[in-house]
Amino acid sequence: SYELTQPPSVSVSPGQIASITCSGDKLGDKYACWYQQRPGQSPVLVIYQDTKRPSGIPERFSGSNSGNTATLTISGTQAMDEADYYCQAWDTSTANWVFGGGTKLTVL
Amino acid sequence: EVQLVESGGGLVQPGGSLRLSCAASGFTFSSYWVHWVRQAPGKGLVWVSRIDSDGSSIIYADSVKGRFTISRDNAKNTLYLQMNSLRDEDTAVYYCAREIRGDDSFDIWGQGTMVTVSS
Repeated sequence: SYELTQPPSVSVSPGQIASITCSGDKLGDKYACWYQQRPGQSPVLVIYQDTKRPSGIPERFSGSNSGNTATLTISGTQAMDEADYYCQAWDTSTANWVFGGGTKLTVL
Repeated sequence: EVQLVESGGGLVQPGGSLRLSCAASGFTFSSYWVHWVRQAPGKGLVWVSRIDSDGSSIIYADSVKGRFTISRDNAKNTLYLQMNSLRDEDTAVYYCAREIRGDDSFDIWGQGTMVTVSS
């Protein structure tokens, strides 16, 4: 089965750039998306189709996807960005939707 | 307001059954594919099942295949998940989610409903 791998945790100082990676076999050949989940809340889509931002998502969130790695980048990270982030892609071989294990972003 | 609202969660014994519902409002429910996604306590998101807009195409994760049944009633704007032969490892918050048309991502999520399988 297809797997997506994320680092368990990433730390960043306020105002700096945070990068969260998601690795999978030939992930660049698929569309990747990203969700933010704050404690006790439902997931929120922040990036879809590798680079697109849904309405209402701040411009500081951006995405890229090439080769085996998709990356979520948060520029000018704010305290409110502290959350768990999950990548997700669709596996063509099994027709299943697959999530990465999640990355806890700490802003300190 | 576009929203999904889950209900039906609760405590059930191993081997038991439960039916979850997800009520949609604020959009044309019958035009969208919808999914169930679950999250065990302290763990990550796991995709469970998807049903297309008219219910003619359904897919399940291997972990629930043969035990769970997804369905929808477009006249009632409601998605369902019938869960049978429940196991301890099915304990999780269950979310319904709307898939963006033409894409594989989920733009609207419900608030979730907790299912606890325990004796």
